[in-house]
Amino acid sequence: AAGVIQSPRHLIKEKRETATLKCYPIPRHDTVYWYQQGPGQDPQFLISFYEKMQSDKGSIPDRFSAQQFSDYHSELNMSSLELGDSALYFCASSLGVKGPSYEQYFGPGTRLTVT
Amino acid sequence: GQQLNQSPQSMFIQEGEDVSMNCTSSSIFNTWLWYKQDPGEGPVLLIALYKAGELTSNGRLTAQFGITRKDSFLNISASIPSDVGIYFCAGHPTGKLIFGQGTTLQVKP
Repeated sequence: AAGVIQSPRHLIKEKRETATLKCYPIPRHDTVYWYQQGPGQDPQFLISFYEKMQSDKGSIPDRFSAQQFSDYHSELNMSSLELGDSALYFCASSLGVKGPSYEQYFGPGTRLTVT
Repeated sequence: GQQLNQSPQSMFIQEGEDVSMNCTSSSIFNTWLWYKQDPGEGPVLLIALYKAGELTSNGRLTAQFGITRKDSFLNISASIPSDVGIYFCAGHPTGKLIFGQGTTLQVKP
C-alpha cells in the first residue's frame, strides 16, 4: 500500500538559511499534519491542513509557514534557520478530520541539521 | 496544555515475556492511538481505539480504551527481538495528536 512520501530525507543547512520540506500524502487522504521531533522527544504538532485550508495550528514558529496545494501535497517552509531547528520533521496524513479517519499515518521524516 | 503521562519510561525484558504499558490523560479523549517508532523512522500506527471500554487486538498486541476515557493500555504478548523500539500513545483532543513521552522497549534474546 502507498505510504506518505517526504522529501528530502536528509537536509543540511546553515544558520539563517531557508529550507523547504515536501510531503505527499497517501492517495485520497485530504488532511496533512506536520510534526517536529527533537532528539529523545515525542513528536510535537506544528500545523495541519484540511482540503487546502489551515485546520489547526500548534507550536509553529513565525519563521515557518506551510501550505497544502490542489493535489493535496504540502510544503513546510522554514526561514532564518536556527541551530535549535535541527530535528526530525514528520508529515502525517489522514482522510478527513472527523470520525474514524482520525487515524494519522506518518511519513519516514526529514532529518534537518542546521550548522 | 493537555498532557499524556506514559509509563513506564523504559523496559528491558527477556524474549518471550509479556509487556504492558499505559497512558493517562488529565482530560477526556475521544480517540486513543498506539504507535511504534524505530530510531530515525516515522511512527507506525499499531492500534486505534474509538470507544470507551473497547478492547482491540492486532496480532500479539492488545490495547484497551479506558472506561473513564482518560487512559489506555497496550499489552505485547510473547515479545520477540523485533519488538524493540519506542512505543507512543497518542490522543485526539482535536485534529492534532498529542503524544505521550514514549516507552522504550528493549528485548534480550
